[in-house]
Amino acid sequence: DGGITQSPKYLFRKEGQNVTLSCEQNLNHDAMYWYRQDPGQGLRLIYYSQIVNDFQKGDIAEGYSVSREKKESFPLTVTSAQKNPTAFYLCASSIVARDYGYTFGSGTRLTVV
Amino acid sequence: SQQGEEDPQALSIQEGENATMNCSYKTSINNLQWYRQNSGRGLVHLILIRSNEREKHSGRLRVTLDTSKKSSSLLITASRAADTASYFCATVEYGNKLVFGAGTILRVKS
Repeated sequence: DGGITQSPKYLFRKEGQNVTLSCEQNLNHDAMYWYRQDPGQGLRLIYYSQIVNDFQKGDIAEGYSVSREKKESFPLTVTSAQKNPTAFYLCASSIVARDYGYTFGSGTRLTVV
Repeated sequence: SQQGEEDPQALSIQEGENATMNCSYKTSINNLQWYRQNSGRGLVHLILIRSNEREKHSGRLRVTLDTSKKSSSLLITASRAADTASYFCATVEYGNKLVFGAGTILRVKS
């Protein structure tokens, strides 16, 4: 079955540590996205990529980095520069077309300990 | 940026009743989409309505779009306990980026 897989489901980070969240899709989608969700709020866009080896900053990119070396993979690194990283992180993918919905992964819950 | 805003923030109804959620947005759009999120899970795409459409149906879902008022509504008929979830509207910005509202939390009591 085609889908999008995020791992791990839960992640704990110590102060000053970098951590990487994995996102893999086998839907042959060109575009991939990372969103952050805080309690009681909607989703905010961190980074997105519409083609391999290219990505763009979203609304809250500071303290995060990404890479897109393969079409299937779009890992997100939460760096020590991100001062409030505790949140639910969602990865999504889509084809690059105007009237097409996103497919989301099941999310990674990151907690700073 | 946050384009869509849902109303109400929370809604509690009895099983079998209809649930209506509203979404307002600020700029012109190509389409508007609705998603559902069960607690602690990812979002699931429910329905997409294009800017030249006024109403769309999918099973027990009915979506309307009024571009003159920059608003949309999602109606879930004959609600079930399994419909308990958060519902988000989203609009497409330049670059095919989806911008989400804060969502409506729906609770269906059995």
